[in-house]
Amino acid sequence: DAKTTQPNSMESNEEEPVHLPCNHSTISGTDYIHWYRQLPSQGPEYVIHGLTSNVNNRMASLAIAEDRKSSTLILHRATLRDAAVYYCIRGGATNKLIFGTGTLLAVQP
Amino acid sequence: EAGVAQSPRYKIIEKRQSVAFWCNPISGHATLYWYQQILGQGPKLLIQFQNNGVVDDSQLPKDRFSAERLKGVDSTLKIQPAKLEDSAVYLCASSSRDSKANVLTFGAGSRLTVL
Repeated sequence: DAKTTQPNSMESNEEEPVHLPCNHSTISGTDYIHWYRQLPSQGPEYVIHGLTSNVNNRMASLAIAEDRKSSTLILHRATLRDAAVYYCIRGGATNKLIFGTGTLLAVQP
Repeated sequence: EAGVAQSPRYKIIEKRQSVAFWCNPISGHATLYWYQQILGQGPKLLIQFQNNGVVDDSQLPKDRFSAERLKGVDSTLKIQPAKLEDSAVYLCASSSRDSKANVLTFGAGSRLTVL
C-alpha cells in the first residue's frame, strides 16, 4: 500500500513550469514527503523531500499543504531531460519508503 | 562520491536456474535495501539491512530468494530456483544512518530475464 495518490500521467511543454500533485491524506506527523524520479533504464533518483515547510533545491521546489495531506512538486522550467516517472512517497527513518506507480511526465519540445 | 554499484547489469537465465546479484553501497551508509521492479510498476521493497542485520524482509519470497550482508558493506541477493515471474529489475539502494528523512541513493539496477 503506497498510501499516496498521483495522476498516472501528465504532459508539459519544454521551458514551461510543471506542477505534479500528490495526495497523502493519511500521512503521520513524523512522515517526510519524498519525491524521486526514474529516467528510462535507470534507478530512481532523489529529487527533494520535506516535512512541513516548502523546500527548494537546484532540481525543484516542493510545496506542502498546511494540513500536510497533499503536496506539489514544481519543476520551474521543464526540459526534455525531465521526462521521467515521478514518485511521491511518504516515509522517514522509522517507516520504509513504499513506491506507488508514480506519474509519467512527458515533455513536448 | 561514488554511487551505489551493482552487477551484473543484465542477466538471462532459464527457469529453475539460479542467479546472484551483487551490490556495493555508498561508503559509510549503514542501511542497504533491495527492491524488485517489475515492468510498469514502482519498485517493491524486498529486504532492508541495517549494517549486517535484517530489519525488514516481510516481502522477500524466502522459499527462493535469499540475501546477505556479511560484513555490513557489500550485499548479495540470490534467487534459486528462478521462476518466470522473477523477471524484473533488481535495485539496490543505500542510506545514511544520520538521515532522519531516510533519503535513498539507488544503483542502476540489474535486469533479470527468466526464459
